[in-house]
Amino acid sequence: EPEVTQTPSHQVTQMGQEVILRCVPISNHLYFYWYRQILGQKVEFLVSFYNNEISEKSEIFDDQFSVERPDGSNFTLKIRSTKLEDSAMYFCASWAQNTEAFFGQGTRLTVV
Amino acid sequence: GQSLEQPSEVTAVEGAIVQINCTYQTSGFYGLSWYQQHDGGAPTFLSYNALDGLEETGRFSSFLSRSDSYGYLLLQELQMKDSASYFCAVALGGGYQKVTFGIGTKLQVIP
Repeated sequence: EPEVTQTPSHQVTQMGQEVILRCVPISNHLYFYWYRQILGQKVEFLVSFYNNEISEKSEIFDDQFSVERPDGSNFTLKIRSTKLEDSAMYFCASWAQNTEAFFGQGTRLTVV
Repeated sequence: GQSLEQPSEVTAVEGAIVQINCTYQTSGFYGLSWYQQHDGGAPTFLSYNALDGLEETGRFSSFLSRSDSYGYLLLQELQMKDSASYFCAVALGGGYQKVTFGIGTKLQVIP
């Protein structure tokens, strides 16, 4: 069964450092999303990406965040200068042209 | 803006039926989805309703009333493995632009 894969599974970084979270969506999917989930809280939308550009972003997705699809398969989320409050689980998800989102297993980001 | 409300916690007995409600306030509503998330895991898709009525998938059913901005997830013949968090999520716009999740309902199934 096709799946969304995310790397790394856990990333520890110092405050102020840049991190790149990587995702390989399902190959024939067209819509890609990043979500985050702070421990014990709800899943929060960050950004959606379609046709090689951002289609929508939330208020959380400020100038410190960026997304790219550098090579047609990977989908990355970059946080330029991490803050303590960026510590969370980050999920990548992809959709085909149906209503079911497939989520990766997430990257746990810990900012120290 | 958008808002979704669902109970934060529900406890039910193994073998019983439980209903998890979700009310929403959104603009550009397209459909209501339900996702299950076990502790430490990723959300997994359970069901989707774009039209009013009941959708049944095995032990799980989902209902939507667009006029009431309300839906629910019904879990029958509860099993211990059903202990998880359940999120309702609204799809907006063309359905693919943005999906907003509720806070999640933590279901505990007890023997």
